[in-house]
Amino acid sequence: DAKTTQPTSMDCAEGRAANLPCNHSTISGNEYVYWYRQIHSQGPQYIIHGLKNNETNEMASLIITEDRKSSTLILPHATLRDTAVYYCIVRVNSGYSTLTFGKGTMLLVSP
Amino acid sequence: GAVVSQHPSWVICKSGTSVKIECRSLDFQATTMFWYRQFPKQSLMLMATSNEGSKATYEQGVEKDKFLINHASLTLSTLTVTSAHPEDSSFYICSARARDQIRDEQFFGPGTRLTVL
Repeated sequence: DAKTTQPTSMDCAEGRAANLPCNHSTISGNEYVYWYRQIHSQGPQYIIHGLKNNETNEMASLIITEDRKSSTLILPHATLRDTAVYYCIVRVNSGYSTLTFGKGTMLLVSP
Repeated sequence: GAVVSQHPSWVICKSGTSVKIECRSLDFQATTMFWYRQFPKQSLMLMATSNEGSKATYEQGVEKDKFLINHASLTLSTLTVTSAHPEDSSFYICSARARDQIRDEQFFGPGTRLTVL
């Protein structure tokens, strides 16, 4: 699986949009971009994933660049409960592929 | 989303004893379950992958005789830490992949914090 690069930490004011970047310049054509988050002392939570088109669900939006070498996870209105470590993972969407977690981005949402 | 539970949520044991951690998929059948370990301020590290009815596949550096994994049914996998030592103290997290899901997502349990004295 391709490697990803994320900033170590980010700050965001409550109510503002949080934009979390991820670089995956070695991504292959059949690899998806997945985002998970982990709130302190809890298991990871799935957020969203995509291949090349932008995706949106009730939690977030995922913007993937046209060359697929980077992506941005957008939390449109961050709340204090969104404080967590956010992991960007690139993997093939098959039943045998695993998730490899990097260091992620620690997002701190403050009042 | 699908729900995965773990039991116990935390456990404290003496050095040399064995500890069993259960991972259950509550509302779906999981053909594949994964076990991760997370040390403080570090990311999750995959320990092993288990498929129902077959032997687990361990990642490099993980001792299969120390970390016994049983995946006897489509809703239950267990991890037994045998002869636990203080260096085994960690946050153990399981995840499950649904059998019939169109989208390939892994659902994670809440984790089990193991402290070995």
